[in-house]
Amino acid sequence: GAVVSQHPSWVICKSGTSVKIECRSLDFQATTMFWYRQFPKQSLMLMATSNEGSKATYEQGVEKDKFLINHASLTLSTLTVTSAHPEDSSFYICSAPDPVWGQPQHFGDGTRLSIL
Amino acid sequence: GNSVTQMEGPVTLSEEAFLTINCTYTATGYPSLFWYVQYPGEGLQLLLKATKADDKGSNKGFEATYRKETTSFHLEKGSVQVSDSAVYFCALNWNSGNTPLVFGKGTRLSVIA
Repeated sequence: GAVVSQHPSWVICKSGTSVKIECRSLDFQATTMFWYRQFPKQSLMLMATSNEGSKATYEQGVEKDKFLINHASLTLSTLTVTSAHPEDSSFYICSAPDPVWGQPQHFGDGTRLSIL
Repeated sequence: GNSVTQMEGPVTLSEEAFLTINCTYTATGYPSLFWYVQYPGEGLQLLLKATKADDKGSNKGFEATYRKETTSFHLEKGSVQVSDSAVYFCALNWNSGNTPLVFGKGTRLSVIA
């Protein structure tokens, strides 16, 4: 079946650094991917829709300059958290639509980001 | 707008007990409905789905039926196991697939031996 790989699974870094998270569709092409954020014990909130070859579409309230999304190829979307601060600490998850039927969404295993 | 409401947790059950997690939705048209499960420290896995009214999704002993008249998609399992302890999310999206999921808040289930 369709597999989405997300890397890294866990990252700890100092405040002020930038962190890049990769989301790859391993055995299929994905023109669209989605990025979600999950706070502890809460649901997933959509951050943005990543579109291959064009700009990402951000949800209201999500800072475009803070969360840079690049979908440079049909199998890779990246989320870069720029100048990260402790309040950016969270669990970030990406997903891609099923390549044949459009659904369900296939999720990566998530990235736990901790900013010290 | 589109939304999903699921019962508040946490839910604690003894092994072999019956499980119901309620989920209702608000949406225009006829969305597809899903249950996802998240085990501790992991990402989301699709548990089951239904794409039209009266469809029943089932997997690993879990079932849910798409009820258009009550706009519900309640998750049930006849006999839970300790390994079922996880967070369960009800979600909807549209058949095009190129739309993001709308999630409920999640229900944490703990099953004790």
